This record gives sequence, structure tokens and C-alpha cells, in this order.
Amino acid sequence: NAGVMQNPRHLVRRRGQEARLRCSPMKGHSHVYWYRQLPEEGLKFMVYLQKENIIDESGMPKERFSAEFPKEGPSILRIQQVVRGDSAAYFCASSPRNQVGIYGYTFGSGTRLTVV
Amino acid sequence: AQSVTQLGSHVSVSEGALVLLRCNYSSSVPPYLFWYVQYPNQGLQLLLKYTTGATLVKGINGFEAEFKKSETSFHLTKPSAHMSDAAEYFCAVTINTGTASKLTFGTGTRLQVTL
Repeated sequence: NAGVMQNPRHLVRRRGQEARLRCSPMKGHSHVYWYRQLPEEGLKFMVYLQKENIIDESGMPKERFSAEFPKEGPSILRIQQVVRGDSAAYFCASSPRNQVGIYGYTFGSGTRLTVV
Repeated sequence: AQSVTQLGSHVSVSEGALVLLRCNYSSSVPPYLFWYVQYPNQGLQLLLKYTTGATLVKGINGFEAEFKKSETSFHLTKPSAHMSDAAEYFCAVTINTGTASKLTFGTGTRLQVTL
């Protein structure tokens, strides 16, 4: 049973380009969470999605960032017109139910985005 | 809203010494508490979690944590550090909202183990 799969592991983009980060949750998990990790800042929540629905996007920047989790296929975190400040590690986690207090998360290995 | 504070961004211990990583939480309702470990260039791995019941929770790799409501703490301990324990450790909290919930993480503590 494969874990949470994220790709690519490393992504380099020039300023102004678009970045697409993909996340396939564990089999049987329909809840996906995206976090961003900046050096010395821990993990910051970005968005929580269930199939075809955004449940909580309170941590998403208002501009340039979007996320989706279609009925078929992986969840996508999309960053348009990247800037140097977007350089970070982006982690996806999944859970089988929405009561994460009981079920917790399973994390992927992350995508490390570098904007040059 | 709930939050966690991890005291000490860096902790260094000698191999064989006690490991103590501190976590204090803030929550208006009973929390669920977690410790995760992150090795370099990897994702986070669950060490242990507290939901309800016994306040002393045992996890993987010899780690354990005790939920102390009176102190709003959930400190992580290991009696004897091993070189392989060198990693970053994150405390996290959530509450049971009955609907959408998410984990809120602390800023992490980097554990160094020396010979």
C-alpha cells in the first residue's frame, strides 16, 4: 500500500513561471491537506480539500495560489507567477476521515520548490 | 484557536543521555496532541499521539510523552538518546470539531546527538 506520493521531489522555476505540485493520497484517504515549510518556521497550513471540494483555504495566500482535488487524479497545488519568497518545501498529507484528532495525517516526502 | 509552543529550537544531548523536548499547547477544549519527526529531506513521520484515556503515551523508537492538563504540556522524552534520533521534532494539536479539522504545528525542535 503506497503512502502519500508527491511529485516532483524538487522543482526549480524562474521568477514569473508557474509551479504545479502534485499529491496522490494514500489509498482509501479522501482528505488532503497542504502545508508549507519555511526554514525555522515550522509547517504552516495552507488548504484542506476533500474530493472536488475545498473545505478550508484559510492559509492560502489570496493571490497566485490555488488548489484542487478532482474526482479523478491527484490533488494539485498551483502557484502562478512564482516569486523568490515562494521557495519552500511543500508537504501534502492525507487522512481517511475528517476527524484528524483520531486518525492523524500521513505525510508525503514533500516538494522542494526553488525559485531562481 | 488552538496553538502549540515548542521551547528551544535546538537541543543537543550526548548519546545515552535523556532526551526532553518541550511542547505546551493552548486550547479552549480538550485537545488531541501529536509528535512528529522529520529526518533531513523527508516528510514527517508520526511518533505518537494522545487522544483520550491514558495520559502517558508510548510511541515508536522508544519515545513517550505525557499529557498534563494542569500544565497544558505534552513533553516528549526518551531515556537514552541514540545517534539515529538526530532529526527535527514537531508537536501538533487539533480539536474535535466534529467536522473539518486540521493539525496546527509548532515551529519544531532540532535535536542534535553528540558522541
